[in-house]
Amino acid sequence: QSVLTQPPSVSAAPGEMVTISCSGISSNIGNDYVSWYQQLPGTAPKLLIYDNNKRPSGIPDRFSGSLSGTSATLVITGLQTGDEANYFCGTWKNSLSGGGDVLFGGGTKVTV
Amino acid sequence: QVHLVQSGAEVKKPGASVKVSCKTSGYTFTSHDIGWARQAPGRGLQWLGWLSDHNGDTNYEQSLQGRLTLTTDASTSTAYMELRNLRSDDTAVYYCARVAYFESRTFDHWGQGTLVTVSS
Repeated sequence: QSVLTQPPSVSAAPGEMVTISCSGISSNIGNDYVSWYQQLPGTAPKLLIYDNNKRPSGIPDRFSGSLSGTSATLVITGLQTGDEANYFCGTWKNSLSGGGDVLFGGGTKVTV
Repeated sequence: QVHLVQSGAEVKKPGASVKVSCKTSGYTFTSHDIGWARQAPGRGLQWLGWLSDHNGDTNYEQSLQGRLTLTTDASTSTAYMELRNLRSDDTAVYYCARVAYFESRTFDHWGQGTLVTVSS
């Protein structure tokens, strides 16, 4: 069971909007930044959002992220059939070794 | 252009070891740490560990300590993940990913994945 909690699935029609939540606690999300990854069927994850709300070059502004307390949110607007994928949140938390551990959410399947 | 290319699929028997390679190109290898994650069939991502070639720091997921070793070869810009004493629940797609530093760390480029099947 993942430490970061995401809804298993969300769905919406083309052109509509979906929101995906990622809930943690003060020692993880409340203490570090959140990234979001998109995993199209049968492919490797791809970085969508980093530092809670920043997009790498090439990621359209239909994808946006935000953070409030210990909960992060990914919003996809103008939904397209090509957006059908699994979406994972991720963050870092301090570890005993000092280097930091990585936490991933369980993933949310978006159906268009 | 940044690329991470992983070695091919493996089939192993329980108790055996597997070593997956991740050859990088398009950037200075020692400027970025490498992380590893896996994904069991139909499941989410599980972080395995990360390794800094720059200073040798490593950090492993606690449940895998003792079975997992991450290494790098800077001369070939390649990272390696070795998992020993394999069990059936180690069956998964294993990914390497480059660590990028912004306000925090993130995985900005990923390998294509390597399927490791553990079966008697």
